[in-house]
Amino acid sequence: AQSVTQLDSQVPVFEEAPVELRCNYSSSVSVYLFWYVQYPNQGLQLLLKYLSGSTLVESINGFEAEFNKSQTSFHLRKPSVHISDTAEYFCAGASKIIFGSGTRLSIRP
Amino acid sequence: DGGITQSPKYLFRKEGQNVTLSCEQNLNHDAMYWYRQDPGQGLRLIYYSQIVNDFQKGDIAEGYSVSREKKESFPLTVTSAQKNPTAFYLCASSISSGGPNEQFFGPGTRLTVL
Repeated sequence: AQSVTQLDSQVPVFEEAPVELRCNYSSSVSVYLFWYVQYPNQGLQLLLKYLSGSTLVESINGFEAEFNKSQTSFHLRKPSVHISDTAEYFCAGASKIIFGSGTRLSIRP
Repeated sequence: DGGITQSPKYLFRKEGQNVTLSCEQNLNHDAMYWYRQDPGQGLRLIYYSQIVNDFQKGDIAEGYSVSREKKESFPLTVTSAQKNPTAFYLCASSISSGGPNEQFFGPGTRLTVL
């Protein structure tokens, strides 16, 4: 079955600390992969996407994700988080419309 | 400004009443989607439409209905048959369904059944 799995439902980190949000996809999912961010009471916004080419993709606000075919992973990372990064993050695959269950990132001052 | 709008932002309904949630996009996208979001469950697909006058059931279509008479509009009706309708509803659109196309989301409608 096709699936996208986010391994952590919540990730608490201190401000300015690094963070990794984990995402694994089943091999039957197309290798078009996305990370979306949802701020409280809002819709989702695209953070970054992997379509082809370089396995490392970056967003404009310092997040990056690496497509790893052998580990079927697309983990999201940021070297230093800010309070404004507090949000829920969703990994998604696109062969069929599949979203992970989300990871709530909470930043402690 | 191109975008996708949903109205109203908050909606209250009495048990047994049908209610329609609006979704409009001016992005000239062929595909539109409705998701339901509950705490801790991520997004679950209710219905999607790949083109005007065509739509398919998603994973949780029971108790919901849709129409796609115009490219710009994809309203969702929550019927009285939906047993637990209180949730946050998100509408999205994309150039076409699946593949490398990102989805653009509306701001959502929070439905509360009293």
